[in-house]
Amino acid sequence: DIVMTQSPDSLAVSLGERATINCKSSQSVLYSSNNKNYLGWYQQKPGHPPKLLIYWASIRESGVPDRFSGSGSGTDFTLTISSLQAEDVAVYYCQQYYSSPLTFGGGTKVEI
Amino acid sequence: EVQVVESGGGLVKPGGSLRLSCAASGFTVSNAWMSWVRQAPGKGLEWVGRIKPTTDGGTTDYAAPVEGRFTISRDDSKNTLYLQMNSLRTEDTAVYYCIKASAGLFDYWGQGTLVTVSS
Repeated sequence: DIVMTQSPDSLAVSLGERATINCKSSQSVLYSSNNKNYLGWYQQKPGHPPKLLIYWASIRESGVPDRFSGSGSGTDFTLTISSLQAEDVAVYYCQQYYSSPLTFGGGTKVEI
Repeated sequence: EVQVVESGGGLVKPGGSLRLSCAASGFTVSNAWMSWVRQAPGKGLEWVGRIKPTTDGGTTDYAAPVEGRFTISRDDSKNTLYLQMNSLRTEDTAVYYCIKASAGLFDYWGQGTLVTVSS
């Protein structure tokens, strides 16, 4: 199984400042035949289901603000919120879809 | 508009069974990758299992903690997905989400249904 490890567990960021969340996989999620990283990022606000933000490690889902960006390749990935807004308070999860069982990171809680 | 709506959650005793339903609209379940993901109270996300589209064989696979106890199926005539849960344990207590997926990527989530396993 591919183990996904996120850091930090939580972080507090001032409004307008940058938030950076890291995600590390226990083995590469880069598929060499298509050069794609099978890594997604989700946002979950209290009382709501998760929402897909980023797929293929760096592609924003339609409608996601451009302050959200994903980067990285292989085993190390980052989600960056360039200028934190109040509505970004949530828990963020990374997830690999390279192989079954599909696995999530433990989550990172972002607070103001 | 793509929509999935779960139902069937509730309180069940350890060792009991429960069947969750997921009614889909805006797409055809038999043509989609469908998954179940659960979230224990105050905890993170855990993939439960999935069923592939008919065109990909319609096969299922499951996470180790539920393998042999849970079964995913669908009724194409009702455009509905099911999760049959047997031999339930207290650690199966969670909100269960039905998801229309793009292969392994979870792009449309339902609101979830709470399953509580307790004596």
